[in-house]
Order: sequence, then C-alpha cells, then structure tokens
Amino acid sequence: DTAVSQTPKYLVTQMGNDKSIKCEQNLGHDTMYWYKQDSKKFLKIMFSYNNKELIINETVPNRFSPKSPDKAHLNLHINSLELGDSAVYFCASSQVTGPDTQYFGPGTRLTVL
Amino acid sequence: QKEVEQNSGPLSVPEGAIASLNCTYSDRGSQSFFWYRQYSGKSPELIMFIYSNGDKEDGRFTAQLNKASQYVSLLIRDSQPSDSATYLCAVWAGKSTFGDGTTLTVKP
Repeated sequence: DTAVSQTPKYLVTQMGNDKSIKCEQNLGHDTMYWYKQDSKKFLKIMFSYNNKELIINETVPNRFSPKSPDKAHLNLHINSLELGDSAVYFCASSQVTGPDTQYFGPGTRLTVL
Repeated sequence: QKEVEQNSGPLSVPEGAIASLNCTYSDRGSQSFFWYRQYSGKSPELIMFIYSNGDKEDGRFTAQLNKASQYVSLLIRDSQPSDSATYLCAVWAGKSTFGDGTTLTVKP
C-alpha cells in the first residue's frame, strides 16, 4: 500500500529528449514537492505545490515544468534534457505547507547519455 | 556559507557506541528541524523532528537543539549495524533546506 509512488523508477535517455516523471500520493496530503538529489547526495528542493497551486519555484531552468492536475498528483516534465540533469528525482508530500514531516517517494533515477 | 552544514563524515563507530551527528544552520528565523535517514539506494525517511530548545528523545535517538548557537544534533545510542546510512539534517524557514548529509557506518 504505497503512500507516495513515482514512475518510472529508472529513466535512461539521450541528450535533447523530453521526458516526464509522474508522482501520486494516497495520504490525503495537501502539499507535494519535487527534489533533485545529485551524485553527492545533496537534496535540493525544486518545486512545491499546495492543493494544485505552485508555492515554491526554486532557481530551476525553465526546461523543468511541474504540473499538478489534482492535489494527489504532481508530475515533472523536462524538455531538452542535458547531461547535468542526471540525478535522482524524489517526489514528496506533507500534510500541510509548513514545517511538517515529508514523505518521500522511491525516487526516479534519470540518466542522460 | 551553506545554509545548512553537516559534519562531512564519513563517520565510523563500533557497534554499541554513541554516534553523534551535527548540523549548523545560518538562518536565525529557522523554526523547525528534522533528521532524515537515507539508506543507500532508498528514499529519505523521517527519524525525528524538534522545534524547541533542548533535548528530545525517541528510543535510541536524541535530538538536541540550541537556537542561540544555531546548532542541532542527533545522537544515536547503542549504535547498530542497521543504523549505517546517510543522515540528512533539514531546516525549515519558509521551505525545507537539507544539508549534504553525513554517512554513518556502524562496524560489528
């Protein structure tokens, strides 16, 4: 009974391609996030949505576009993939926006060749 | 200066010892502090959070917060090999900012 799920788990693609990662949470949480974790394990927030509304948009290239069709789903579309986009992308959710426990999905390992 | 800094590690302790993980933060307005554990190839999971100055204990884990010194730590008593993981400190000041993590190895 997965709380936060992501698909796909692995994504290998060529430079210049466009790809999407999907995330769903069944916890009934209002807030969802996308994080990028690089090879040195540094976890950096990219976006945060509260009930389908964008509330945090860090300094991320505009090739990255999040979309939240409803509060249980937050997808990430990446255009024109670059080598530096290779990382593990984690989706997370929390009950509220604010200082709250975040529940992470299993991650999507993106490799750009 | 990084917003959240953790001792660089890796940290190695023998089984049964106390492991001490440290984290400092730069934003004095930070309100809440979280410790996450991340096993290799897995996602982060919450161990503890702390909001108030002082100590907070949960089983073998104790979180310590000193807002004046902008310092938060995690102590793991009676360390077990299963505690071997990367520990991430997260600080909330409008958004969550994570440290680089400290990798702990507990040797049997």
